[in-house]
Amino acid sequence: GQSLEQPSEVTAVEGAIVQINCTYQTSGFYGLSWYQQHDGGAPTFLSYNALDGLEETGRFSSFLSRSDSYGYLLLQELQMKDSASYFCAVRGSDNTDKLIFGTGTRLQVFP
Amino acid sequence: DTGVSQNPRHKITKRGQNVTFRCDPISEHNRLYWYRQTLGQGPEFLTYFQNEAQLEKSRLLSDRFSAERPKGSFSTLEIQRTEQGDSAMYLCASSPWGTGVLSGANVLTFGAGSRLTVL
Repeated sequence: GQSLEQPSEVTAVEGAIVQINCTYQTSGFYGLSWYQQHDGGAPTFLSYNALDGLEETGRFSSFLSRSDSYGYLLLQELQMKDSASYFCAVRGSDNTDKLIFGTGTRLQVFP
Repeated sequence: DTGVSQNPRHKITKRGQNVTFRCDPISEHNRLYWYRQTLGQGPEFLTYFQNEAQLEKSRLLSDRFSAERPKGSFSTLEIQRTEQGDSAMYLCASSPWGTGVLSGANVLTFGAGSRLTVL
């Protein structure tokens, strides 16, 4: 089976840096993705890592270590609008194109 | 393109009734996915299509659930004899399928969802 673990909640202040960790267990591995979801909104794609290392997209970066089955999402220069839930997700098998999501991390940014 | 469109946005029904949700994906996307999300949880995979072919259906999905994508464009998700446990947000997503890294399940564009409440 496949499972993902991430912290349920993280809090931070505006301008700070926050890291959301994700550990996964899969029978295979074909990439780790991150999605953002505001309350009442649709999940939106943030980043995808297939290989080890850091991917940077503006204020957001995502890291992957396949040997540790671990990744994280790094959010810099936090803004109030970053308050949302963040999900890591894996595509864990070559025989299927489904994405399995974690339970999500709720980020609250305070002024 | 207006993105992924889902209708209706909200549906309240009585237990035992049938409901149908519609999803219009991004026009050039040939993969279409259905997910279900309950409060405080991540999206849970239900099924996905490549054009009109249903390639996988979750084993968690009972026979009361059926999905179609008859012409490879829009898709419908029908729930028969609804139960209170079916209350959830039903999300549709689409993606292009190709040889690039950012294809298929690696990059999903979700619709706003259809919220089902079963009384």
